[in-house]
Amino acid sequence: QKEVEQDPGPLSVPEGAIVSLNCTYSNSAFQYFMWYRQYSRKGPELLMYTYSSGNKEDGRFTAQVDKSSKYISLFIRDSQPSDSATYLCATDTGGFKTIFGAGTRLFVKA
Amino acid sequence: DGGITQSPKYLFRKEGQNVTLSCEQNLNHDAMYWYRQDPGQGLRLIYYSQIVNDFQKGDIAEGYSVSREKKESFPLTVTSAQKNPTAFYLCATYRENTGELFFGEGSRLTVL
Repeated sequence: QKEVEQDPGPLSVPEGAIVSLNCTYSNSAFQYFMWYRQYSRKGPELLMYTYSSGNKEDGRFTAQVDKSSKYISLFIRDSQPSDSATYLCATDTGGFKTIFGAGTRLFVKA
Repeated sequence: DGGITQSPKYLFRKEGQNVTLSCEQNLNHDAMYWYRQDPGQGLRLIYYSQIVNDFQKGDIAEGYSVSREKKESFPLTVTSAQKNPTAFYLCATYRENTGELFFGEGSRLTVL
């Protein structure tokens, strides 16, 4: 079993839709939870970062962590074609080693 | 501009040849990483270095080698022992106080 599971998609939605991206993880020692966004042929960049259970909002993006069920979510409101990218969930124990999910490819159609 | 520079961006190699990918950073971060990315598999850790002159194997180190002689530089050599080297390679640094990884633009290696 992988430590972080993520459906690779692809996920295709119309412009303006609400997008829900999800991951599960197996190790309860994980403390930090991140979402990275990766455009085609580029390196990933950090999009959202959370430490505890609950929600964190940044503009159209909301990251949600449920430690009791080991579930990580990213919601994108009013999705735009420029949101088309691969979204990678990630987690670590604070010890220099980040573990990534497989990444979900998202396509937002105009 | 602060950041991470990877070169070359694209590289073609014949089977049996070693190739070295360059990674240079000016972010003054101690820790540096090499990841491999294949379609549908996310990022897999090859090697990492927390400090100069020290490095550790990641999850898929076989067929790869690294060195860390300077804080700014962490080159990766893909040796002929790597059975399936065609992939997208990403170098990253780690900012300790936030746990954030900063990535270069990647190097795409194709073995002919």
